[in-house]
Amino acid sequence: KAGVTQTPRYLIKTRGQQVTLSCSPISGHRSVSWYQQTPGQGLQFLFEYFSETQRNKGNFPGRFSGRQFSNSRSEMNVSTLELGDSALYLCASSLTSGGAPTQYFGPGTRLTVL
Amino acid sequence: AQTVTQSQPEMSVQEAETVTLSCTYDTSESDYYLFWYKQPPSRQMILVIRQEAYKQQNATENRFSVNFQKAAKSFSLKISDSQLGDAAMYFCAYSWTSGSRLTFGEGTQLTVNP
Repeated sequence: KAGVTQTPRYLIKTRGQQVTLSCSPISGHRSVSWYQQTPGQGLQFLFEYFSETQRNKGNFPGRFSGRQFSNSRSEMNVSTLELGDSALYLCASSLTSGGAPTQYFGPGTRLTVL
Repeated sequence: AQTVTQSQPEMSVQEAETVTLSCTYDTSESDYYLFWYKQPPSRQMILVIRQEAYKQQNATENRFSVNFQKAAKSFSLKISDSQLGDAAMYFCAYSWTSGSRLTFGEGTQLTVNP
């Protein structure tokens, strides 16, 4: 079974631009979570989607948004990029949402904001 | 709010020896899950082991085992017969039972010396 895939793997943007990252979960998985990883703040939870609904949201500004499609694929969008948004963005999928299911991570998208 | 603390930023071990990574957490919940993930240089986050808080028996996965002390809110990872491929950043993580949001510790960089 194919693992979690994320596209693109690397991205360079300039301040003020917006960006969209994509995540395809493992086949059959209905929950997708997004995390931001930076050297200063570590790994931080962004949001979780299950059956096209946002179930949980971390403490990030409204510039960070996401959505999930009927095939469980998910996208996250960051508008008006800031230098501090440079990070590795990790997506994780799981079968369900409740009960702390095991999450399987993708390889990440490395975003650099210049 | 739940917090996870890893007090050892770096650890090293000789190949074939045993090493223990420490993790403490803070939560007011009685039902939760704890995880250890490893992140090698490829940045792919890989699940190492999982522990359900309601289980008194410590989880084991081949050379990996945990020492779960619920009262002390401690969750350490023991790696036996260390191998070069074990070199990675190790993250301790917490999840509440009703969701799949992971709260991560700061990480411990493990070096395995030949």
